[in-house]
Amino acid sequence: EDQVTQSPEALRLQEGESSSLNCSYTVSGLRGLFWYRQDPGKGPEFLFTLYSAGEEKEKERLKATLTKKESFLHITAPKPEDSATYLCAVQAYSGAGSYQLTFGKGTKLSVIP
Amino acid sequence: DSGVTQTPKHLITATGQRVTLRCSPRSGDLSVYWYQQSLDQGLQFLIQYYNGEERAKGNILERFSAQQFPDLHSELNLSSLELGDSALYFCASSQEIATDTQYFGPGTRLTVL
Repeated sequence: EDQVTQSPEALRLQEGESSSLNCSYTVSGLRGLFWYRQDPGKGPEFLFTLYSAGEEKEKERLKATLTKKESFLHITAPKPEDSATYLCAVQAYSGAGSYQLTFGKGTKLSVIP
Repeated sequence: DSGVTQTPKHLITATGQRVTLRCSPRSGDLSVYWYQQSLDQGLQFLIQYYNGEERAKGNILERFSAQQFPDLHSELNLSSLELGDSALYFCASSQEIATDTQYFGPGTRLTVL
């Protein structure tokens, strides 16, 4: 069974204080690892897809990296508007030509001005 | 705005009742996915349809069913509702079965009293 564990569950940062969120996974036949951002009561918003170990992707203050067992979401000099829950998901083959996403429970990030 | 629309935004009903949630995918997307998000379980995959056909099933209860219509919109039917069915229900869409990214709608908040 595919498993995704995110840590920490919650993180409070001062504005400008850089940090990293962790996503460790166990999956058979990883096709891709996804990061989403979710604001309270809203749908997840796509951020990144990573496909192979060593791959990195950046968007504004966010950088995602991937190893064979885990992924990190680095947040550089965060601003209050970066406050959200960050979700990690692994995509693996589920049969009949279909790929299924398994999500972690997320890290709730709060950035204090 | 992801381009995925869901109605209604909120739904309040009583135990034992039946409700229908509606989803319209992004223009050009053939796959529709349904997810349930509750506080303790996180985001759980329920079911996927591709071009009108069921392709994958996740943790979907027998009381729940879904379908995708020729115009590609999808409906999730929840019957014999229980208090524990109260949750956010999200629809996501992607272009094809084996595509990279699922784009999520804004969700329907279901409250069962």
